[in-house]
Amino acid sequence: DSGVTQTPKHLITATGQRVTLRCSPRSGDLSVYWYQQSLDQGLQFLIQYYNGEERAKGNILERFSAQQFPDLHSELNLSSLELGDSALYFCASNPVVGGPGELFFGEGSRLTVL
Amino acid sequence: AQSVTQLGSHVSVSEGALVLLRCNYSSSVPPYLFWYVQYPNQGLQLLLKYTSAATLVKGINGFEAEFKKSETSFHLTKPSAHMSDAAEYFCAVSPPSGNTPLVFGKGTRLSVIA
Repeated sequence: DSGVTQTPKHLITATGQRVTLRCSPRSGDLSVYWYQQSLDQGLQFLIQYYNGEERAKGNILERFSAQQFPDLHSELNLSSLELGDSALYFCASNPVVGGPGELFFGEGSRLTVL
Repeated sequence: AQSVTQLGSHVSVSEGALVLLRCNYSSSVPPYLFWYVQYPNQGLQLLLKYTSAATLVKGINGFEAEFKKSETSFHLTKPSAHMSDAAEYFCAVSPPSGNTPLVFGKGTRLSVIA
């Protein structure tokens, strides 16, 4: 158990819909990262937050947005969903900004768009 | 920009045989390097990491990796494969300072044959 909690574990929805994925980092970790894992693209970095502020942005679509709340949990919002958005979405956390970059991953949220 | 290339999307070995998973990196500065493992339906967990100390790094479950600057490589090895080693393995890179998230390779699926 990494200490990172993600909900829901599985989600099935239709094209055009909007979903919210939730992540609770390890106790005390200030940084939260979101990654998308798909068969063709591998693990792609989406976005990072540190203590409530956006710190780095990767290959995140404009239809996607995220935020980190004062209690440090984070939500990833996916809207106008397309078939190609079906993937496993991981949240990861680490305690510091910078440093060696070791991340602790949740078990992921599997999104299926029909 | 940093990147990693994992040679071979699928490696198959017999139980008891040597495991060798290849990773080459590209980085303009001395990097930190990581190997993560992902078991079916689970998140990624850290196997080992190189952070500019000893070039031969020992990790969990009998795995080790050697940082070779001249070859820009960080290959993962295990002397004797076990059935429980069957999983997806990811190599990742980050700079030693700053706030850049980990960049992952596309992964190598390891199958262990009885």
